Amino acid sequence: GENVEQHPSTLSVQEGDSAVIKCTYSDSASNYFPWYKQELGKRPQLIIDIRSNVGEKKDQRIAVTLNKTAKHFSLHITETQPEDSAVYFCAASTNGNKLVFGAGTILRVKS
Amino acid sequence: DVKVTQSSRYLVKRTGEKVFLECVQDMDHENMFWYRQDPGLGLRLIYFSYDVKMKEKGDIPEGYSVSREKKERFSLILESASTNQTSMYLCASSSSGSGSLDTQYFGPGTRLTVL
Repeated sequence: GENVEQHPSTLSVQEGDSAVIKCTYSDSASNYFPWYKQELGKRPQLIIDIRSNVGEKKDQRIAVTLNKTAKHFSLHITETQPEDSAVYFCAASTNGNKLVFGAGTILRVKS
Repeated sequence: DVKVTQSSRYLVKRTGEKVFLECVQDMDHENMFWYRQDPGLGLRLIYFSYDVKMKEKGDIPEGYSVSREKKERFSLILESASTNQTSMYLCASSSSGSGSLDTQYFGPGTRLTVL
């Protein structure tokens, strides 16, 4: 089955700097890659996703890139702000709605 | 706005007790999921359901069962709770959207402690 690895497990950046979180997946048939953000004490919420027919997608300060050949995808956050501090999860899906999640990255933005 | 609710935010049970965790969604979603969340392990799928009375095992189904008698409700059952089932349990739902991949919406979670 699918296996998703996520790095780093923790990331500290200075406010205004960029943050990059990387995930690799094992199943070349995976075709949907969402990213979820979970603030402390709250539920995970989708922040951006990408499908296998697209190489990059942007939404304001957030972007996701996908390299199907290398089987990895990354989340890029530019101009980080304190409210970006949270746990971020990547996920991959092969057969529709069933997602396999990475272990999560704790992002701390220092002001 | 999608709303997924879970019956309890915090629950404390004793070893050997039968535990019911309830999840309700109000968006007529076909798909419902139960995950457990543990530090360093991410979200691991326990069971999911694509339709009423239908269930499929996820990655870690041992020690759990589920019930889906109505479309909006998906219950997770711990037949005999054990201390290693102490965890945060998250329910999620999504639409099948004509076979397309779709966003999963999560409930607030139930933090279960088994003593």
